[in-house]
Amino acid sequence: GAVVSQHPSRVICKSGTSVKIECRSLDFQATTMFWYRQFPKKSLMLMATSNEGSKATYEQGVEKDKFLINHASLTLSTLTVTSAHPEDSSFYICSARDPRGQGSYEQYFGPGTRLTVT
Amino acid sequence: GENVEQHPSTLSVQEGDSAVIKCTYSDSASNYFPWYKQELGKRPQLIIDIRSNVGEKKDQRIAVTLNKTAKHFSLHITETQPEDSAVYFCAAATGYSSASKIIFGSGTRLSIRP
Repeated sequence: GAVVSQHPSRVICKSGTSVKIECRSLDFQATTMFWYRQFPKKSLMLMATSNEGSKATYEQGVEKDKFLINHASLTLSTLTVTSAHPEDSSFYICSARDPRGQGSYEQYFGPGTRLTVT
Repeated sequence: GENVEQHPSTLSVQEGDSAVIKCTYSDSASNYFPWYKQELGKRPQLIIDIRSNVGEKKDQRIAVTLNKTAKHFSLHITETQPEDSAVYFCAAATGYSSASKIIFGSGTRLSIRP
């Protein structure tokens, strides 16, 4: 199946700093990618839809100025957590669907990035 | 927006027995229902999915049923094995485009007792 990668896999940062997480579709072009966060033993919560060449669409309750999303190319979306606080510590996962999939609607997930804010 | 509810939150079954996880959704426009298995610290993996024009789908030991009228869908795992232990998520999406966002249920932690 299609491959989605994320970088870094783990990151530790200090409160007040910003952290950038990259999501790449390795073998297909993705005009749309999705960003989720997952707290320990909890579900995946959709944060935003990343649209190539246009502004991201944020879910209700997600601060767009805190979680900056940039989708500058068809294979790369970035999520920047600005002025990070300990409560931003979480597992962040991106996903995308391969538009080439004939009759398949499978979303491919990245391996996730574990963010720890100290 | 769409809301997906899932239960039970935890489920323990004897190896070889069947496991059933149930979900409901709120948006009648939802038409794609995937199920994911997630192991600790790993990405979700699609195990089976069903579209709204189908009432049931089976893949070896895994089956999914969909009741559009009641907005219910369920996952059935038969002849459970230790490697089935994981967290399972149901999900719902509206539309089949690459922009169709997927909304997850709260998850079920399945444990298989030897």
